[in-house]
Amino acid sequence: EDQVTQSPEALRLQEGESSSLNCSYTVSGLRGLFWYRQDPGKGPEFLFTLYSAGEEKEKERLKATLTKKESFLHITAPKPEDSATYLCAVQAANTGNQFYFGTGTSLTVIP
Amino acid sequence: DTGVSQNPRHKITKRGQNVTFRCDPISEHNRLYWYRQTLGQGPEFLTYFQNEAQLEKSRLLSDRFSAERPKGSFSTLEIQRTEQGDSAMYLCASSLEGQGRAFFGQGTRLTVV
Repeated sequence: EDQVTQSPEALRLQEGESSSLNCSYTVSGLRGLFWYRQDPGKGPEFLFTLYSAGEEKEKERLKATLTKKESFLHITAPKPEDSATYLCAVQAANTGNQFYFGTGTSLTVIP
Repeated sequence: DTGVSQNPRHKITKRGQNVTFRCDPISEHNRLYWYRQTLGQGPEFLTYFQNEAQLEKSRLLSDRFSAERPKGSFSTLEIQRTEQGDSAMYLCASSLEGQGRAFFGQGTRLTVV
């Protein structure tokens, strides 16, 4: 069964139009939830780690939040350079030491 | 620049040939991971090393795949008798025990023709 589900699969925003990406997870014993950004043809770039429900992290126009079942990546006033695929991953007691990834949300920001 | 280096960046090989990829992790990182990613999918776990010990392998990992990390530094991933279904981006990541987050290299794009 899917342990990490990301939605939407694709999102198109006008520049300046704020929105949120969702990552829901069904693992036992969450050890960490990770957000990455991936540009075409490149490896994932680390953004945030969240460890417990209620935790929030911010970086420039991005803010990540965590509940017991899901995480949100909020993008405020996005710019075209924010266009990328955003990946969510979890480490948990039932996934060993691996990072278990979702399929990502492809974000396009239109000028 | 994340500090994880992968070589080569691109590899085209004929079906049935063997290929080997190299990963140089961030120098102080004792954990190293190999992942495979196909178009439109998230990275899929292949194997994990802590220092030189290979501690986890995906059940999906065919016996044509082998990975090593001699002396706990760089790692190699070998695919024997390549098949067209092996075409993918192969990603390496490293982390420091206790820090959680992993840093990825730029990947090796394998095309099997």
